Amino acid sequence: AQSVTQLGSHVSVSEGALVLLRCNYSSSVPPYLFWYVQYPNQGLQLLLKYTTGATLVKGINGFEAEFKKSETSFHLTKPSAHMSDAAEYFCAVSDENNAGNMLTFGGGTRLMVKP
Amino acid sequence: DAGITQSPRHKVTETGTPVTLRCHQTENHRYMYWYRQDPGHGLRLIHYSYGVKDTDKGEVSDGYSVSRSKTEDFLLTLESATSSQTSVYFCAIQKQGYGYTFGSGTRLTVV
Repeated sequence: AQSVTQLGSHVSVSEGALVLLRCNYSSSVPPYLFWYVQYPNQGLQLLLKYTTGATLVKGINGFEAEFKKSETSFHLTKPSAHMSDAAEYFCAVSDENNAGNMLTFGGGTRLMVKP
Repeated sequence: DAGITQSPRHKVTETGTPVTLRCHQTENHRYMYWYRQDPGHGLRLIHYSYGVKDTDKGEVSDGYSVSRSKTEDFLLTLESATSSQTSVYFCAIQKQGYGYTFGSGTRLTVV
């Protein structure tokens, strides 16, 4: 069975500071990994995904994540936080990237950005 | 992006009443999912569908049923609503290679 752990349900950073949101997964097969962002009163939207190939993945809004198999991690980073980054972020894992493969989500991390 | 709409957006209902939430897509995606979102739990899968009249249970299916009589509609029914079913419900569709696309959610309050 797959599982996802997001360390820190709340993270607070200052505007312009580095954003680091942590995600660790467990999977018995090579994983496909995703980060989703949820703005208030909205659904989730895909930020970035790792399937195969390059382990450093770039997403929208300046975010990126690195797949580290040895650490079973897929941490999300952004060099400089912006006020508009305040949202909840979800890490998710599936065992394939084909239609029909279910995602397992972490508990989410709420990012707060201080002026 | 595939169009996906959920209705209603908000609902307040009384304990013991049946409630049906609707998810509608405008493209012919085969796979559709119902999740509930609760603080600290992320999203948990309730039921999913892999085609017309083809559905299966997810992680938290007790107290819920689903139906899919047309490709575009996936209905979630709470047979007898309880306070523990107060939550935000999200529908999602899956397009191969692109992950999930989510609806805007239905906020359900059971009083």
